[in-house]
Amino acid sequence: EDHLVQSGGGLVQPGGSLRLSCTGSGFILGPYSMAWVRQAPGKGLEWISYISSTSDSIYYSDSVKGRFTVSRDRAHNSVYLQLSSLRDEDTATYYCARGHGGNPGRWFDPWGQGTLVTVSS
Amino acid sequence: EIVMTQSPATLSVSPGERATLSCRASQSIGRNLAWYQQKPGQAPRLLIYSASTRTIGIPPTYSASGSGTEFTFTISSLESEDLATYYCQQYENWPRTFGQGTKVEIK
Repeated sequence: EDHLVQSGGGLVQPGGSLRLSCTGSGFILGPYSMAWVRQAPGKGLEWISYISSTSDSIYYSDSVKGRFTVSRDRAHNSVYLQLSSLRDEDTATYYCARGHGGNPGRWFDPWGQGTLVTVSS
Repeated sequence: EIVMTQSPATLSVSPGERATLSCRASQSIGRNLAWYQQKPGQAPRLLIYSASTRTIGIPPTYSASGSGTEFTFTISSLESEDLATYYCQQYENWPRTFGQGTKVEIK
């Protein structure tokens, strides 16, 4: 069964940086687009980033544009989300998810287990 | 940005009864809609794509319909394992946007 395994969350001060990782387990990430979605505590889902299978199409939500950077590494079967200039409102559980439905990815399945990022002084 | 509005925010249904959830788009999205289930403490799980197609392994107790701006998700006979929040998501345009969710409770 295909899984996505995430790592890299934690506590960071406002203005700080963090890198989140998402690794495919049981399948090769390469042919798939990938997305990042976050969920603030007690809130709903917010799509924040997308990277195509070839990295030639990358999108960000307005809320993270210019601060977050998505990338992928075929050798490590992974995608990454670099979080910079973090703000209190970035506190959330961050999920990676595999895109489906052609190029660009339309719906997301499966999802990683999520990793909590807490921005606090 | 396409705004997705779900109703009701919370739905309380007795076991064995039908649960009907709604999702409305601020502009036409054709059939470019997915539904996800998120159980407490878990990651979301895809249930439906293309407005009405169940993904692999999803039982027919879950169904969905709609097009344009109005969509419906139905659980035909509620069981305790259906306790979750359900989200719709449009993929007509960027940014991809989700509804705020409908929490299904067991009465």
